Amino acid sequence: ILNVEQSPQSLHVQEGDSTNFTCSFPSSNFYALHWYRWETAKSPEALFVMTLNGDEKKKGRISATLNTKEGYSYLYIKGSQPEDSATYLCAPQDSNYQLIWGAGTKLIIKP
Amino acid sequence: DTGVSQNPRHKITKRGQNVTFRCDPISEHNRLYWYRQTLGQGPEFLTYFQNEAQLEKSRLLSDRFSAERPKGSFSTLEIQRTEQGDSAMYLCASSPGLAVNEQFFGPGTRLTVL
Repeated sequence: ILNVEQSPQSLHVQEGDSTNFTCSFPSSNFYALHWYRWETAKSPEALFVMTLNGDEKKKGRISATLNTKEGYSYLYIKGSQPEDSATYLCAPQDSNYQLIWGAGTKLIIKP
Repeated sequence: DTGVSQNPRHKITKRGQNVTFRCDPISEHNRLYWYRQTLGQGPEFLTYFQNEAQLEKSRLLSDRFSAERPKGSFSTLEIQRTEQGDSAMYLCASSPGLAVNEQFFGPGTRLTVL
């Protein structure tokens, strides 16, 4: 898997607003799609793993969807809070277990 | 704390010196990964181990880089004759070896080469 693209590169959102961002990847040799959150001065932390086309996962105010046929995943955050400020990384996994990392979307929540 | 640990957290060195980093994975995890991350980029794969066997190395890993995992537990990453371009965050991750390869990351080692 090559060419993982995340957009936008950075995003400023007012506290309380909802937001979403995109991960695009080639759909060939796809096995799973991982989303991670990376807060400053902390370790990247797994949010979701999705494998099936049409999968939707939710954790609190954060949810993600997956379209393996067209090669994209969306991450949604509802009612953004300051603690949501982080870089959100997506990483498609191929059948050889390797994760190919996007550059991330840096989210900044303005109080 | 039973998470992934890395030492040191920060390393400042002069160009040309050798440095070694250590990673202690989650104890029951048999896969261990090394990544490098520079500003504005996602983690770049360097190498990975299945137990003590080094199964894959990235083309990014020049001959100045070497990694070991001698007993299938902790791992070391050594950089010889460091260059300023080696300055980066070096991340270690481990995973339990399941088909869906969720990886658990350490806090990283920040290397600055002067």
